[in-house]
Amino acid sequence: SQKIEQNSEALNIQEGKTATLTCNYTNYSPAYLQWYRQDPGRGPVFLLLIRENEKEKRKERLKVTFDTTLKQSLFHITASQPADSATYLCALVGEFGNEKLTFGTGTRLTIIP
Amino acid sequence: DTGVSQNPRHKITKRGQNVTFRCDPISEHNRLYWYRQTLGQGPEFLTYFQNEAQLEKSRLLSDRFSAERPKGSFSTLEIQRTEQGDSAMYLCASKDGAVTNTGELFFGEGSRLTVL
Repeated sequence: SQKIEQNSEALNIQEGKTATLTCNYTNYSPAYLQWYRQDPGRGPVFLLLIRENEKEKRKERLKVTFDTTLKQSLFHITASQPADSATYLCALVGEFGNEKLTFGTGTRLTIIP
Repeated sequence: DTGVSQNPRHKITKRGQNVTFRCDPISEHNRLYWYRQTLGQGPEFLTYFQNEAQLEKSRLLSDRFSAERPKGSFSTLEIQRTEQGDSAMYLCASKDGAVTNTGELFFGEGSRLTVL
């Protein structure tokens, strides 16, 4: 069956360091992959999208990589700040036109001052 | 208001009662999605609409669940004869179907259901 795993439930990182979150998937051939941020009691907020033919995407302090051979995406936050503390969700879409997202369980990131 | 709006934000009900949630998407978005999220889990897809047509339903959506989008604008999600296992956050999201190369969903703040 299709499975999306995010590396850990919780990750603590010292302020100023780079936080790296992992998303692994099995039995899936996604057309693209997205990352969302979710704060407690709030809905997810879109951060970045990367397509199957792209290796890397950047947006300000965020970087996403996508390795379809390893079936893995890495999400990096550089120069992390306490305000980056949140749950980060990866989500896959199987094909263009069928944009039902399948989400991972999320990683709760805490940036320690 | 340019965001997705959901009401009510919180609902506490007794087992066996019916509840209805409403979602008002971003006005120019023709696609509307419902997801369910339980504590410590990612959102799970329930159903989605393109305009007023319900195009896909998850197996999670039992016969007690029904969703409508009568005029292609707002949507309602009704749960009949609620069970304690229905306790969750119900998230609505919308998307401009014409912008197919981004896939970004805009989520509301969710409606939290507690079934006693």
